[in-house]
Amino acid sequence: EDQVTQSPEALRLQEGESSSLNCSYTVSGLRGLFWYRQDPGKGPEFLFTLYSAGEEKEKERLKATLTKKESFLHITAPKPEDSATYLCAVQTGGGNKLTFGTGTQLKVEL
Amino acid sequence: KAGVTQTPRYLIKTRGQQVTLSCSPISGHRSVSWYQQTPGQGLQFLFEYFSETQRNKGNFPGRFSGRQFSNSRSEMNVSTLELGDSALYLCASSSTTSWDEQFFGPGTRLTVL
Repeated sequence: EDQVTQSPEALRLQEGESSSLNCSYTVSGLRGLFWYRQDPGKGPEFLFTLYSAGEEKEKERLKATLTKKESFLHITAPKPEDSATYLCAVQTGGGNKLTFGTGTQLKVEL
Repeated sequence: KAGVTQTPRYLIKTRGQQVTLSCSPISGHRSVSWYQQTPGQGLQFLFEYFSETQRNKGNFPGRFSGRQFSNSRSEMNVSTLELGDSALYLCASSSTTSWDEQFFGPGTRLTVL
């Protein structure tokens, strides 16, 4: 059974204080690893998909990396508007089924 | 391009009733997946439909069912509602040409009393 674990559960940063969120996974046959951002009361917003170890993708202040066992979401010089829950999910097998971690709740303060 | 839409946005039902939720995917997307999100369990996969056929199914009881129409719109139904069915129900759509991007709707908040 696919398992995804995210850490920390919650993270509080000062504006400009860079940090990383971790997503470790145990799967058989990874097709893709997804990162989403979710604001309260809204659906998850797609950020990145990574496919193979060593791959990196960037978007504004966010950079996602992938190894054979985990993925990191690096947040550089965060701003208060980056506050959200960040979700990691893995896709295995056929079709579009995603197995999600429980998320990291990020709060960025002035 | 319009995003994924879900109706209704909020719903209140009582135990034993049944409910139908609707999802309209992004135009051109043929895959629709449904998820249940609760504070305790997080996001859990319910099922996926592609071209009107169920392609994947999660570990939920048979009270949860779904279908997809020829225009790719999808509905999910929950019969004999239980208190534990209170959750945010999300649908996600993806296209056959960009299967690696799944876009979520805003969800339907179901409260069972």
